[in-house]
Amino acid sequence: AQKVTQAQTEISVVEKEDVTLDCVYETRDTTYYLFWYKQPPSGELVFLIRRNSFDEQNEISGRYSWNFQKSTSSFNFTITASQVVDSAVYFCAPLNAGNMLTFGGGTRLMVKP
Amino acid sequence: AAGVIQSPRHLIKEKRETATLKCYPIPRHDTVYWYQQGPGQDPQFLISFYEKMQSDKGSIPDRFSAQQFSDYHSELNMSSLELGDSALYFCASSLATGAQYFGPGTRLTVL
Repeated sequence: AQKVTQAQTEISVVEKEDVTLDCVYETRDTTYYLFWYKQPPSGELVFLIRRNSFDEQNEISGRYSWNFQKSTSSFNFTITASQVVDSAVYFCAPLNAGNMLTFGGGTRLMVKP
Repeated sequence: AAGVIQSPRHLIKEKRETATLKCYPIPRHDTVYWYQQGPGQDPQFLISFYEKMQSDKGSIPDRFSAQQFSDYHSELNMSSLELGDSALYFCASSLATGAQYFGPGTRLTVL
């Protein structure tokens, strides 16, 4: 089974700072999927990105970017020019057998004005 | 675009009562999942259905059961409720290994 480690349990930044959330994964599979989800204080889980093991291309979506590096088993998430609305818990999660997401602790991001 | 619909959004029950949570997946999605998120915890996978057949089970108590109906909606039935069942229950749907889109959740409080 795949598992991830999000070593940063909590990060606090001031608005407009850039912030990177780390995700290190472990797997023995050659084919695997990794996801990032956001959970704001309102509680819903919002899908951000899905990455499969064959696609190492980095992704940019507005202020969000993802750096997938198989050599270091990392799938890091960067928010550029953070905003208060980015305050949330961010989960990196692998897809395991049965297509179940396995959430691994998450990183709570607090963006202060 | 249509999203996953869950009802009710909030539910308050007494210990030993039963509860039924409903989920309406995104149209044409073939897989439905249920997750439970206790206070301050990560979401934990409970059970999933692929094309109306149960496909996998996680840490779902025997007191819980679920099914998916012919119209693809799913229900999570919870009996003999305990205080520890108080949690946010999410339903999600996907197309195979694609992104799982989550509903807004049902907040269950057991008193």
